[in-house]
Amino acid sequence: EAGVAQSPRYKIIEKRQSVAFWCNPISGHATLYWYQQILGQGPKLLIQFQNNGVVDDSQLPKDRFSAERLKGVDSTLKIQPAKLEDSAVYLCASSGIRGHINEQFFGPGTRLTVL
Amino acid sequence: QKEVEQNSGPLSVPEGAIASLNCTYSDRGSQSFFWYRQYSGKSPELIMSIYSNGDKEDGRFTAQLNKASQYVSLLIRDSQPSDSATYLCAVTWAGSARQLTFGSGTQLTVLP
Repeated sequence: EAGVAQSPRYKIIEKRQSVAFWCNPISGHATLYWYQQILGQGPKLLIQFQNNGVVDDSQLPKDRFSAERLKGVDSTLKIQPAKLEDSAVYLCASSGIRGHINEQFFGPGTRLTVL
Repeated sequence: QKEVEQNSGPLSVPEGAIASLNCTYSDRGSQSFFWYRQYSGKSPELIMSIYSNGDKEDGRFTAQLNKASQYVSLLIRDSQPSDSATYLCAVTWAGSARQLTFGSGTQLTVLP
């Protein structure tokens, strides 16, 4: 079974520029998550999708971040304009249902550096 | 504010010893508990999940859950240098649509 795919793996941009990340979840997984992980911290949820609908985006900085999941499969996360504090690893995860425990599986992440 | 607390470490154990990692959480309504392993520069990898009080064993790993005391732990028996990583505890809260809240992780080093 193929895992969660993400691209690009690394991105370096200057502040005020825009950037987009792509995620393809595990086949058949209806729920998709985007996390931000700053060095030395645990991942922090940005947004959760169920199929192509948003379940929770309460921690997404909506003045600069946006995300979509058209057709309920692939998803993109965009930052415009980027700030220095956006430097982090952006992780995509997906989950199906196993018993009644919803286990999330992570992609390799995109490491973003904002200069 | 629902919180998940872990000692940041670093925790060092000799090869072959038992490593004990602990995690406490703030909400008694928490439902599911997970341990992820994260190697430096890599993404989190799920190694254990537990949802009822008691112990759950999987190979060299044992997860222990005590909901009354609001803690979950991970024991790694016969620790190997390849176990050296950061271990992240994650919790889902009741009514959270199965969202994970992570601790900041404990860095484990297994010394050869």
